[in-house]
Amino acid sequence: ILNVEQSPQSLHVQEGDSTNFTCSFPSSNFYALHWYRWETAKSPEALFVMTLNGDEKKKGRISATLNTKEGYSYLYIKGSQPEDSATYLCAFIPRDTGRRALTFGSGTRLQVQP
Amino acid sequence: NAGVTQTPKFQVLKTGQSMTLQCAQDMNHNSMYWYRQDPGMGLRLIYYSASEGTTDKGEVPNGYNVSRLNKREFSLRLESAAPSQTSVYFCASSEGSSGRAGELFFGEGSRLTVL
Repeated sequence: ILNVEQSPQSLHVQEGDSTNFTCSFPSSNFYALHWYRWETAKSPEALFVMTLNGDEKKKGRISATLNTKEGYSYLYIKGSQPEDSATYLCAFIPRDTGRRALTFGSGTRLQVQP
Repeated sequence: NAGVTQTPKFQVLKTGQSMTLQCAQDMNHNSMYWYRQDPGMGLRLIYYSASEGTTDKGEVPNGYNVSRLNKREFSLRLESAAPSQTSVYFCASSEGSSGRAGELFFGEGSRLTVL
């Protein structure tokens, strides 16, 4: 079983605050890392697909960085808004050919208070 | 464009009954997946199919079988349902060229309760 960990488990912030959370994964067997946003009563939707060490991706106020050598990725949200409230999932794909599908972390649940 | 469609959306079963969850995608994706979501545990992979005609076990395959009927359809079968299989099930697909998973597109989920 692959160990993909996310922290914190949950986060409450005020509107306008900037925040970040962490995903850690096995650094020795890296192929790709995904970030997904999952709103309540909806399905997860992809935010970023990251494959290279040092990758930085940005979509509006949300950005992500990747460090494959130390096995972590950060997701940043600048100026949080109530509509950012969701669970943010990271998912890891190992390099070895034995497993080709994503292993998800348990997510960080973000709540933004107006 | 429907994307990934799962049926049924809700189902209640008694212990020992069987049922099949259906999934179809219209994006011409190679890879399809079944995940289950339980509180505090995120999404756990049950089975996946990297391409038409192939299936592989994921983290939690016990008690389930799958069929990749064609490129569009991937079904999940519970032969003898148990209360531990009470969960929300998500089907997903990706382009997954050469067996590598790209971005996943998810269905709306199927909530299954086993009494």
